[in-house]
Order: sequence, then C-alpha cells, then structure tokens
Amino acid sequence: DSGVTQTPKHLITATGQRVTLRCSPRSGDLSVYWYQQSLDQGLQFLIQYYNGEERAKGNILERFSAQQFPDLHSELNLSSLELGDSALYFCASSVEGGNTDTQYFGPGTRLTVL
Amino acid sequence: AQKITQTQPGMFVQEKEAVTLDCTYDTSDPSYGLFWYKQPSSGEMIFLIYQGSYDQQNATEGRYSLNFQKARKSANLVISASQLGDSAMYFCAMREGRETSGSRLTFGEGTQLTVNP
Repeated sequence: DSGVTQTPKHLITATGQRVTLRCSPRSGDLSVYWYQQSLDQGLQFLIQYYNGEERAKGNILERFSAQQFPDLHSELNLSSLELGDSALYFCASSVEGGNTDTQYFGPGTRLTVL
Repeated sequence: AQKITQTQPGMFVQEKEAVTLDCTYDTSDPSYGLFWYKQPSSGEMIFLIYQGSYDQQNATEGRYSLNFQKARKSANLVISASQLGDSAMYFCAMREGRETSGSRLTFGEGTQLTVNP
C-alpha cells in the first residue's frame, strides 16, 4: 500500500458525460501528479500540483481540468467524455516535487466510457 | 525521439534465476533521475528503485539493482533470484532536471516479465 488513495476504483459512464476523480496524497506529501494509462498512448503525464498551485502541465486535454485543495487532496475533472478517454487514471504524490523525489502511485481509477 | 526506450516487449525467466530488463534514455539535462516501477496484473504501480544522474554507485534495493551506465545512457534493472510474484509489467521512467519540466515522469512502453516455475 503506497498510502495514496484514489476513488472511485472503477467508473463506467457514457459519452458526453462529466466525471470527477479524487486523490488523497500520502501524509506529508505536498505534490500531486495525474497520469493517464491507455493502450495506445501508454503512460502519460497530465498535470502536477504543488501545495495548491499548478506546477507543470503535460498532455492534458482542454476538456480535462484539475485542482488541489487546501487539505492537499486533488480532483481531476473530465468532461464531454469520448470513447478514447477510457483509460486507467493514476494519481501519484511526492514530498516536494524536486528532482530527488520519488513519486508513489495510487491504485488508479479505471474509467470506461460507453 | 523517444526519451525512454524499452526494447524488450516480453521477457521470460526461470524461477530463482536472474534477469535483466533493458532501458535506454535520451536527455541533454545533466541532472535527471531514473526510476523503475512494477505493474502487476492488478494494475497498481509499485516503485522499485531510483538512480540519480550524479550518483556514483549503482542503486540497489533488496533483489533489485540498477546497472547504470551513464556514457551509454542505459539504466537496466537486474532482478536476482526471480520469484513467481515478479511476473508483471516493468516500466522504466525518467525525470529531467529542467524547471519547466516540473517533476513529471516520462515512461517507457514497458517490459512484460513472466517467471516460469
């Protein structure tokens, strides 16, 4: 158990809908990262937050947004869902987000868009 | 260009033998970190081992060791005394030192390891 929690574990929804994925980092970790794992794209970095502020952005679609709250938990919002958004979404956390930090991953949320 | 290359889509090893999973990387940053993660069929990503670009010695964590050859830009994972529970997908990842990169990890495509009894 990495100490990172993600809810829900599974999510099934329809095209055009909006969903919210939630992540709680390990105790003491200030940085949260979101990654998407799909069969065709592999594991891709989406976005990083550090202590409530956006730190880095990757291949995140405009239909997707994220935030990190004062209690350091984070939410990833996916809207106008398409079939291609079906994937495993991981949240990871690290202490500071520096170069020597290790990112610990949550169990993931498996999103299926029908 | 691929930043992380794992050339072995699948590997097989006999239980109790050692196995090496290959990883090459491409970066112009002098400061970077290399990571290996394990993903069992249940889906979670498990951190195994880390090597920093300035580390003088190869990293080791229990049965895992990292064969770091900086000049060749390779960071191969060595698993000694393989166990059935080692059967999983293994990912090599890199974090570059540029401020604009944040602390994102760039992953390779993975190697599926199967340990045979």
